[in-house]
Amino acid sequence: GAGVSQSPSNKVTEKGKDVELRCDPISGHTALYWYRQSLGQGLEFLIYFQGNSAPDKSGLPSDRFSAERTGGSVSTLTIQRTQQEDSAVYLCASSLSRQQETQYFGPGTRLLVL
Amino acid sequence: AQSVTQPDIHITVSEGASLELRCNYSYGATPYLFWYVQSPGQGLQLLLKYFSGDTLVQGIKGFEAEFKRSQSSFNLRKPSVHWSDAAEYFCAVGGNSGYSTLTFGKGTMLLVSP
Repeated sequence: GAGVSQSPSNKVTEKGKDVELRCDPISGHTALYWYRQSLGQGLEFLIYFQGNSAPDKSGLPSDRFSAERTGGSVSTLTIQRTQQEDSAVYLCASSLSRQQETQYFGPGTRLLVL
Repeated sequence: AQSVTQPDIHITVSEGASLELRCNYSYGATPYLFWYVQSPGQGLQLLLKYFSGDTLVQGIKGFEAEFKRSQSSFNLRKPSVHWSDAAEYFCAVGGNSGYSTLTFGKGTMLLVSP
């Protein structure tokens, strides 16, 4: 079946603009995760959705970052008033359930803020 | 708090030689452990995982890893490296308590010399 897909694959924006990143998880996966991968860093957890439960937002670095998941499927990560330090690869992953299941990753969105 | 240490930022191995990538973790209970590989411009692909049972885990592409609780380690090994194995490798730890966020190490870049 299809894997996790993300769009766009690359995004260049100007400082101060808002951006939206999209993630389509694997069909049937109820858990969805967003991570950020900065140059020279590991993966930084941002936010986690499980079904209809309230999301775990504990990893969001500032209130400029938000995410939503509509219909328990597609998710959008929004960054408002982008800053140069937001430049990174944003990775989405999904897993079958809340229990510690294997997470399957999408190819990522490479964001560059000029 | 859980954490993962990958002490080697870069490793260079000759093609055909054996490989061992180190991973040490900190976690307060029985961990779930993962190794992922990331090729340039790609998302993360799961190589193998340890949830319970046999401490020697076999994965894809000829990789294996051994969970050593006494050493808090989960080192990745391959008996004979191929040029196509050049990539970045990430170790990750998660919990079995239902809190599904993975904590990743900063990665080890594997270079394969002819």
